[in-house]
Amino acid sequence: DAKTTQPPSMDCAEGRAANLPCNHSTISGNEYVYWYRQIHSQGPQYIIHGLKNNETNEMASLIITEDRKSSTLILPHATLRDTAVYYCIVRVMNRDDKIIFGKGTRLHILP
Amino acid sequence: GAVVSQHPSRVICKSGTSVKIECRSLDFQATTMFWYRQFPKQSLMLMATSNEGSKATYEQGVEKDKFLINHASLTLSTLTVTSAHPEDSSFYICSASSTATTYEQYFGPGTRLTVT
Repeated sequence: DAKTTQPPSMDCAEGRAANLPCNHSTISGNEYVYWYRQIHSQGPQYIIHGLKNNETNEMASLIITEDRKSSTLILPHATLRDTAVYYCIVRVMNRDDKIIFGKGTRLHILP
Repeated sequence: GAVVSQHPSRVICKSGTSVKIECRSLDFQATTMFWYRQFPKQSLMLMATSNEGSKATYEQGVEKDKFLINHASLTLSTLTVTSAHPEDSSFYICSASSTATTYEQYFGPGTRLTVT
């Protein structure tokens, strides 16, 4: 079973910041928080990952709470192309570690 | 970034025939590849883990004799759906793990299989 819980869907206005929450209360000390997204009929796309510090890249920012039991993915200026299902995953940094996908959050960007 | 390709992107086959799907890591070596299946409006479901040069490890409930996986080289894994039936119609996605980039997994674009 997936180790994370996410809201099934969210709406966000185009141009605004999209904040996607994720709960992972049973995360282990050696597990990272990963975010992927899947645009309709495409393979998942890596967005960002972190262990305990906040992270930022060209796509998004990841805010992890101090107790690591939850995190938030922030898309700073959402566009219509950001409409997708966003998956929050916890996993160890191991090449053989399989990724178990939960149901994710379906993000709708509204024009 | 690392690129994973799949071929074909879309295939239609008749019931009872077999279909082979290829997954290639284009610019990196992948000792481990993963195969997923995704039904409409559902999440990805892991089918099996494929390690180069050894037998694949299948998830519970996945028939290894029906879904044959071969990982003969560090850049190629194949999934063969044998004796396909309409219920095997699905979106099949592979991912490859790169040892060169902190074990990130990179996903292919998927293959849409329709069995008539």
